[in-house]
Amino acid sequence: DSGVTQTPKHLITATGQRVTLRCSPRSGDLSVYWYQQSLDQGLQFLIHYYNGEERAKGNILERFSAQQFPDLHSELNLSSLELGDSALYFCASSVASGVSYEQYFGPGTRLTVT
Amino acid sequence: GNSVTQMEGPVTLSEEAFLTINCTYTATGYPSLFWYVQYPGEGLQLLLKATKADDKGSNKGFEATYRKETTSFHLEKGSVQVSDSAVYFCALSGLAGGTSYGKLTFGQGTILTVHP
Repeated sequence: DSGVTQTPKHLITATGQRVTLRCSPRSGDLSVYWYQQSLDQGLQFLIHYYNGEERAKGNILERFSAQQFPDLHSELNLSSLELGDSALYFCASSVASGVSYEQYFGPGTRLTVT
Repeated sequence: GNSVTQMEGPVTLSEEAFLTINCTYTATGYPSLFWYVQYPGEGLQLLLKATKADDKGSNKGFEATYRKETTSFHLEKGSVQVSDSAVYFCALSGLAGGTSYGKLTFGQGTILTVHP
């Protein structure tokens, strides 16, 4: 158990809908990262928050947004869902924001868009 | 930008065989390098890391050495077990245009299956 929690574990929804994925980092960790894992794209970085502020964006679609709240949990919002958004979404946390800090991953949310 | 290339899999071995999974990278500056393992239906677990050239990361019998001259971070284990069957990801964390400090760039993953 990494100490990172994600809810829900599974999510099935229809095209055009909007969903929210939630992540609680390890106690004491200030950084939260979101990643998408799909068969064709592999593991892709989406976005990074540190202590409530956005620090970096990766291959994140404009239909997707995220935020980190004062209690440090984070939410990833996916809207106008398409079939191609079906994937595993992981969040990871680390104690700080930097090259050498290891990231601890949650169990993931499997999103299926039908 | 940063990139990681892993040897193509899948890799199938018998128990107690020697394991090598090759990983090479392209990055600016001095990245940190990681190996993560993903068991079926689970998230990624950090296996080992190295933060500077010639560092050797090790854990659970696995080891990898940060080779800056060959831009490589190959994963090795002297004697694999059935319980090592999983997907292994090489990753790096480094600067890329100054806007991705700390994000991980992953290789495509290598599926390892160990038979008794």
